Amino acid sequence: QKEVEQNSGPLSVPEGAIASLNCTYSDRVSQSFFWYRQYSGKSPELIMSIYSNGDKEDGRFTAQLNKASQYVSLLIRDSQPSDSATYLCAVNMGDKIIFGKGTRLHILP
Amino acid sequence: DGGITQSPKYLFRKEGQNVTLSCEQNLNHDAMYWYRQDPGQGLRLIYYSQIVNDFQKGDIAEGYSVSREKKESFPLTVTSAQKNPTAFYLCASSAGTGTYEQYFGPGTRLTVT
Repeated sequence: QKEVEQNSGPLSVPEGAIASLNCTYSDRVSQSFFWYRQYSGKSPELIMSIYSNGDKEDGRFTAQLNKASQYVSLLIRDSQPSDSATYLCAVNMGDKIIFGKGTRLHILP
Repeated sequence: DGGITQSPKYLFRKEGQNVTLSCEQNLNHDAMYWYRQDPGQGLRLIYYSQIVNDFQKGDIAEGYSVSREKKESFPLTVTSAQKNPTAFYLCASSAGTGTYEQYFGPGTRLTVT
């Protein structure tokens, strides 16, 4: 069974702090990893892609990938109330992308 | 202005009726996808298409049908055989399948009573 696992949350983080979202996946040969943000009632929006081990930074967002541990994470620095959303981890497995069920993030003002 | 459009945003139908959801993209993407999202659930793949006139079943294809007659369009029909059709339906597209990023349309919320 090809799976992408995320803690459902909610994860509550004070405004201005770092939010850390984690994801594990089952397929050792996966090559592409994505993070999507989904606001309530809206469609998912791609915020980060990562393909190589290590860190990738884009503004306040940093994606981290460790293929040996089959682990990918997303850090959000200087968290803002507008970051409150569900974050979906997605991993390619064969010709499909498998999505996790998402982690709900709540930024406390 | 490139993007993916889905219509309608909200759709209400009576049980036993077939309904077709529209998805159009002007990103020149080869691949298109249909997902279903239920509360508390992840995205579940219904059908996907890698090229025109070809499509494959996803994980939950029963009760659904699709066509891909044009590169830009990938309509989804929810038939009366689908036991629990009420859900949020999302269309996505990508330059190719597998490792490529997928981009989503705004979604159609279908309610069947």
